[in-house]
Amino acid sequence: KQEVTQIPAALSVPEGENLVLNCSFTDSAIYNLQWFRQDPGKGLTSLLLIQSSQREQTSGRLNASLDKSSGRSTLYIAASQPGDSATYLCAGQGSNYKLTFGKGTLLTVNP
Amino acid sequence: NAGVTQTPKFQVLKTGQSMTLQCAQDMNHEYMSWYRQDPGMGLRLIHYSVGAGITDQGEVPNGYNVSRSTTEDFPLRLLSAAPSQTSVYFCASSLTRATEAFFGQGTRLTVV
Repeated sequence: KQEVTQIPAALSVPEGENLVLNCSFTDSAIYNLQWFRQDPGKGLTSLLLIQSSQREQTSGRLNASLDKSSGRSTLYIAASQPGDSATYLCAGQGSNYKLTFGKGTLLTVNP
Repeated sequence: NAGVTQTPKFQVLKTGQSMTLQCAQDMNHEYMSWYRQDPGMGLRLIHYSVGAGITDQGEVPNGYNVSRSTTEDFPLRLLSAAPSQTSVYFCASSLTRATEAFFGQGTRLTVV
């Protein structure tokens, strides 16, 4: 059974700092890995999807990497802004095509 | 382009009542799914559908029914509400089972 863990559970940084969010998964037979953002009281917004054949994906100030052999994915946020404050969730999609979510990292970027 | 639309946004039920949470998408996505989100538990899959007429159980299906009569709609039915079903429910859709998932804004359900 796929298990997804996100560390840290919460992170507070000053504005402008570069930061890394971590995601680990137990089943290396992962089909893809998705990163989402969730604002309080809102739904999930897809940020990046990395297929199992890919090593990384980039969108603006966001870069996500995937290392299947070590069971890890990272989300790198460059030059953080207060508007980046949210909960970030990663989800692994296994051979059964079901998404398994981590519990998220609550990010606070302080002005 | 509305994306994934869930109704209602908030609902309070009494124990034993039944209700249907509505989910509709206008992106012609084949794959749709329902999750519940609870503090400390993360998002857990309730039911999913890979196309009209096809549904299957997820991780926590007990107490819930689904049907998929059209590509656009995927309603979730609570048969006899229990306090343990107090949660935030999210509907999601994707073009296929392995592409980017789009989520609705959620339904916050309280069962008293």
